[in-house]
Amino acid sequence: GAVVSQHPSRVICKSGTSVKIECRSLDFQATTMFWYRQFPKQSLMLMATSNEGSKATYEQGVEKDKFLINHASLTLSTLTVTSAHPEDSSFYICSASVARGNEKLFFGSGTQLSVL
Amino acid sequence: KNQVEQSPQSLIILEGKNCTLQCNYTVSPFSNLRWYKQDTGRGPVSLTIMTFSENTKSNGRYTATLDADTKQSSLHITASQLSDSASYICVVSGGSWGKFQFGAGTQVVVTP
Repeated sequence: GAVVSQHPSRVICKSGTSVKIECRSLDFQATTMFWYRQFPKQSLMLMATSNEGSKATYEQGVEKDKFLINHASLTLSTLTVTSAHPEDSSFYICSASVARGNEKLFFGSGTQLSVL
Repeated sequence: KNQVEQSPQSLIILEGKNCTLQCNYTVSPFSNLRWYKQDTGRGPVSLTIMTFSENTKSNGRYTATLDADTKQSSLHITASQLSDSASYICVVSGGSWGKFQFGAGTQVVVTP
Protein backbone atom coordinates (compact mmCIF):
# COMPACT_ATOMS: atom_id res chain seq x y z
CA GLY A 1 0.00 0.00 0.00
CA ALA A 2 0.93 3.62 -0.32
CA VAL A 3 3.31 4.97 2.28
CA VAL A 4 3.68 8.44 3.67
CA SER A 5 6.95 9.10 5.42
CA GLN A 6 7.07 11.80 8.07
CA HIS A 7 10.13 12.89 9.99
CA PRO A 8 11.42 13.55 12.44
CA SER A 9 9.26 11.37 14.65
CA ARG A 10 10.24 13.33 17.70
CA VAL A 11 11.90 16.69 18.20
CA ILE A 12 12.79 18.71 21.26
CA CYS A 13 13.73 22.33 20.77
CA LYS A 14 14.29 25.51 22.72
CA SER A 15 11.71 28.24 22.82
CA GLY A 16 12.21 30.75 20.00
CA THR A 17 13.73 28.33 17.52
CA SER A 18 12.14 27.05 14.33
CA VAL A 19 11.40 23.43 13.56
CA LYS A 20 10.80 21.85 10.17
CA ILE A 21 8.76 18.70 9.69
CA GLU A 22 8.84 16.81 6.41
CA CYS A 23 6.12 14.73 4.84
CA ARG A 24 6.88 12.59 1.79
CA SER A 25 4.70 10.33 -0.29
CA LEU A 26 7.01 7.47 -1.17
CA ASP A 27 5.30 5.62 -3.98
CA PHE A 28 2.65 7.93 -5.32
CA GLN A 29 2.11 11.52 -6.30
CA ALA A 30 0.01 13.34 -3.76
CA THR A 31 -2.14 16.02 -5.27
CA THR A 32 -3.04 17.32 -1.86
CA MET A 33 -1.36 17.14 1.52
CA PHE A 34 -2.91 17.96 4.86
CA TRP A 35 -1.38 18.96 8.16
CA TYR A 36 -3.03 18.20 11.50
CA ARG A 37 -2.38 18.88 15.11
CA GLN A 38 -3.43 16.51 17.85
CA PHE A 39 -3.48 17.05 21.60
CA PRO A 40 -3.46 14.07 23.98
CA LYS A 41 -6.65 12.03 23.85
CA GLN A 42 -8.21 14.40 21.33
CA SER A 43 -9.06 14.03 17.67
CA LEU A 44 -6.98 15.33 14.80
CA MET A 45 -7.46 19.02 14.10
CA LEU A 46 -6.91 20.09 10.52
CA MET A 47 -4.47 22.98 10.34
CA ALA A 48 -4.05 23.49 6.61
CA THR A 49 -4.46 21.98 3.19
CA SER A 50 -1.78 22.33 0.57
CA ASN A 51 -1.78 21.62 -3.13
CA GLU A 52 1.45 21.29 -5.04
CA GLY A 53 2.67 24.57 -6.41
CA SER A 54 0.09 26.75 -4.71
CA LYS A 55 -0.30 28.47 -1.37
CA ALA A 56 -1.69 26.46 1.49
CA THR A 57 -5.21 27.04 2.72
CA TYR A 58 -5.25 27.48 6.48
CA GLU A 59 -8.11 26.65 8.80
CA GLN A 60 -9.63 29.41 10.87
CA GLY A 61 -7.53 30.24 13.89
CA VAL A 62 -4.29 28.83 12.48
CA GLU A 63 -1.59 31.46 12.07
CA LYS A 64 -0.08 31.17 8.60
CA ASP A 65 3.00 33.13 9.61
CA LYS A 66 3.50 30.81 12.55
CA PHE A 67 3.03 27.55 10.68
CA LEU A 68 4.70 27.83 7.29
CA ILE A 69 3.74 25.18 4.78
CA ASN A 70 5.63 24.51 1.60
CA HIS A 71 4.46 22.01 -0.99
CA ALA A 72 7.17 22.24 -3.60
CA SER A 73 6.55 18.93 -5.33
CA LEU A 74 3.94 16.19 -5.63
CA THR A 75 5.86 14.08 -3.15
CA LEU A 76 7.03 16.54 -0.51
CA SER A 77 5.38 18.97 1.85
CA THR A 78 7.01 20.67 4.82
CA LEU A 79 5.61 22.33 7.92
CA THR A 80 7.84 24.82 9.69
CA VAL A 81 6.88 25.92 13.17
CA THR A 82 8.51 29.33 13.49
CA SER A 83 9.63 30.86 16.76
CA ALA A 84 8.28 27.89 18.65
CA HIS A 85 6.83 28.34 22.12
CA PRO A 86 5.89 25.75 24.74
CA GLU A 87 2.22 26.03 23.75
CA ASP A 88 3.19 24.76 20.29
CA SER A 89 4.14 21.45 21.85
CA SER A 90 1.88 18.89 20.26
CA PHE A 91 1.65 15.88 17.98
CA TYR A 92 1.71 16.93 14.32
CA ILE A 93 0.53 14.57 11.59
CA CYS A 94 0.50 14.91 7.83
CA SER A 95 -1.60 13.08 5.31
CA ALA A 96 -1.52 12.79 1.57
CA SER A 97 -4.42 12.34 -0.76
CA VAL A 98 -4.59 10.75 -4.18
CA ALA A 99 -7.18 12.09 -6.56
CA ARG A 100 -8.46 10.55 -9.75
CA GLY A 101 -11.65 9.20 -8.30
CA ASN A 102 -10.62 7.18 -5.29
CA GLU A 103 -9.59 9.94 -2.91
CA LYS A 104 -7.34 7.67 -0.92
CA LEU A 105 -5.99 9.25 2.22
CA PHE A 106 -2.74 8.10 3.81
CA PHE A 107 -1.25 9.35 7.03
CA GLY A 108 2.29 9.88 8.15
CA SER A 109 3.46 8.43 11.45
CA GLY A 110 3.41 11.79 13.21
CA THR A 111 5.92 14.10 14.87
CA GLN A 112 5.92 14.77 18.59
CA LEU A 113 7.16 18.32 19.14
CA SER A 114 8.27 19.39 22.58
CA VAL A 115 9.27 23.02 23.07
CA LEU A 116 11.22 23.76 26.22
CA LYS B 1 -21.60 21.09 15.34
CA ASN B 2 -19.34 18.28 14.21
CA GLN B 3 -20.60 16.61 11.08
CA VAL B 4 -19.24 13.25 12.24
CA GLU B 5 -20.26 11.94 15.64
CA GLN B 6 -18.75 8.81 17.15
CA SER B 7 -19.93 6.76 20.07
CA PRO B 8 -19.08 5.66 22.60
CA GLN B 9 -16.28 8.03 23.48
CA SER B 10 -14.43 5.18 25.11
CA LEU B 11 -14.97 1.59 26.08
CA ILE B 12 -13.20 -1.18 27.92
CA ILE B 13 -13.63 -4.77 26.81
CA LEU B 14 -12.23 -8.10 27.86
CA GLU B 15 -9.82 -9.86 25.57
CA GLY B 16 -11.64 -12.23 23.28
CA LYS B 17 -14.94 -10.34 23.38
CA ASN B 18 -16.57 -8.48 20.51
CA CYS B 19 -17.46 -4.82 20.37
CA THR B 20 -19.15 -2.37 18.01
CA LEU B 21 -18.34 1.27 17.48
CA GLN B 22 -20.76 3.74 15.96
CA CYS B 23 -20.34 6.65 13.56
CA ASN B 24 -23.18 8.96 12.53
CA TYR B 25 -22.63 11.69 10.01
CA THR B 26 -24.42 14.58 8.37
CA VAL B 27 -21.85 15.25 5.65
CA SER B 28 -23.59 15.86 2.35
CA PRO B 29 -23.07 15.13 -0.45
CA PHE B 30 -21.39 11.93 0.61
CA SER B 31 -18.39 10.42 -1.14
CA ASN B 32 -16.92 7.78 1.13
CA LEU B 33 -16.44 6.77 4.74
CA ARG B 34 -13.28 5.39 6.27
CA TRP B 35 -12.31 3.83 9.55
CA TYR B 36 -8.82 4.30 10.89
CA LYS B 37 -6.97 2.81 13.84
CA GLN B 38 -4.58 5.09 15.67
CA ASP B 39 -2.17 3.74 18.23
CA THR B 40 -0.95 6.22 20.83
CA GLY B 41 1.82 8.40 19.42
CA ARG B 42 1.40 7.05 15.89
CA GLY B 43 -0.35 8.14 12.74
CA PRO B 44 -3.74 6.65 11.82
CA VAL B 45 -3.75 3.47 9.76
CA SER B 46 -6.56 2.70 7.35
CA LEU B 47 -8.87 -0.20 8.20
CA THR B 48 -11.67 0.15 5.66
CA ILE B 49 -13.05 2.55 3.11
CA MET B 50 -16.60 2.37 1.78
CA THR B 51 -18.41 4.26 -0.92
CA PHE B 52 -22.11 4.97 -1.22
CA SER B 53 -22.91 1.62 -2.81
CA GLU B 54 -21.07 -0.55 -0.30
CA ASN B 55 -22.88 -1.87 2.77
CA THR B 56 -20.15 -3.85 4.42
CA LYS B 57 -16.42 -4.36 4.21
CA SER B 58 -14.11 -6.54 6.24
CA ASN B 59 -10.44 -6.38 7.08
CA GLY B 60 -9.49 -9.38 9.16
CA ARG B 61 -11.32 -9.15 12.47
CA TYR B 62 -12.63 -5.70 11.62
CA THR B 63 -15.97 -5.40 9.82
CA ALA B 64 -17.44 -2.05 8.86
CA THR B 65 -21.02 -1.46 7.80
CA LEU B 66 -22.56 1.54 6.11
CA ASP B 67 -26.16 2.65 5.79
CA ALA B 68 -26.04 5.66 3.50
CA ASP B 69 -29.78 6.24 3.90
CA THR B 70 -29.61 6.74 7.65
CA LYS B 71 -26.03 8.06 7.43
CA GLN B 72 -24.74 5.59 9.95
CA SER B 73 -21.72 3.35 10.03
CA SER B 74 -20.42 0.83 12.51
CA LEU B 75 -17.11 -0.90 13.09
CA HIS B 76 -17.29 -4.35 14.62
CA ILE B 77 -14.23 -5.89 16.24
CA THR B 78 -14.41 -9.65 16.59
CA ALA B 79 -12.51 -11.65 19.20
CA SER B 80 -10.64 -8.62 20.47
CA GLN B 81 -6.94 -8.80 21.17
CA LEU B 82 -4.75 -6.68 23.40
CA SER B 83 -3.26 -5.09 20.28
CA ASP B 84 -6.69 -3.74 19.40
CA SER B 85 -6.30 -1.16 22.15
CA ALA B 86 -6.25 2.12 20.22
CA SER B 87 -8.34 5.04 19.09
CA TYR B 88 -10.69 4.33 16.19
CA ILE B 89 -11.49 7.27 13.98
CA CYS B 90 -14.33 7.64 11.50
CA VAL B 91 -13.59 9.95 8.56
CA VAL B 92 -16.21 11.02 6.04
CA SER B 93 -15.40 12.55 2.69
CA GLY B 94 -17.90 14.64 0.82
CA GLY B 95 -18.84 18.07 -0.32
CA SER B 96 -15.92 19.94 -1.83
CA TRP B 97 -13.33 17.47 -3.02
CA GLY B 98 -10.52 17.02 -0.59
CA LYS B 99 -12.57 17.89 2.49
CA PHE B 100 -12.45 15.17 5.10
CA GLN B 101 -14.55 15.41 8.25
CA PHE B 102 -13.13 13.62 11.27
CA GLY B 103 -14.96 12.10 14.17
CA ALA B 104 -13.53 12.57 17.64
CA GLY B 105 -12.66 8.89 17.83
CA THR B 106 -13.53 6.04 20.18
CA GLN B 107 -10.83 4.99 22.61
CA VAL B 108 -10.86 1.20 22.97
CA VAL B 109 -9.03 -0.53 25.79
CA VAL B 110 -8.77 -4.31 25.69
CA THR B 111 -7.93 -5.86 29.05
CA PRO B 112 -6.62 -9.37 29.75
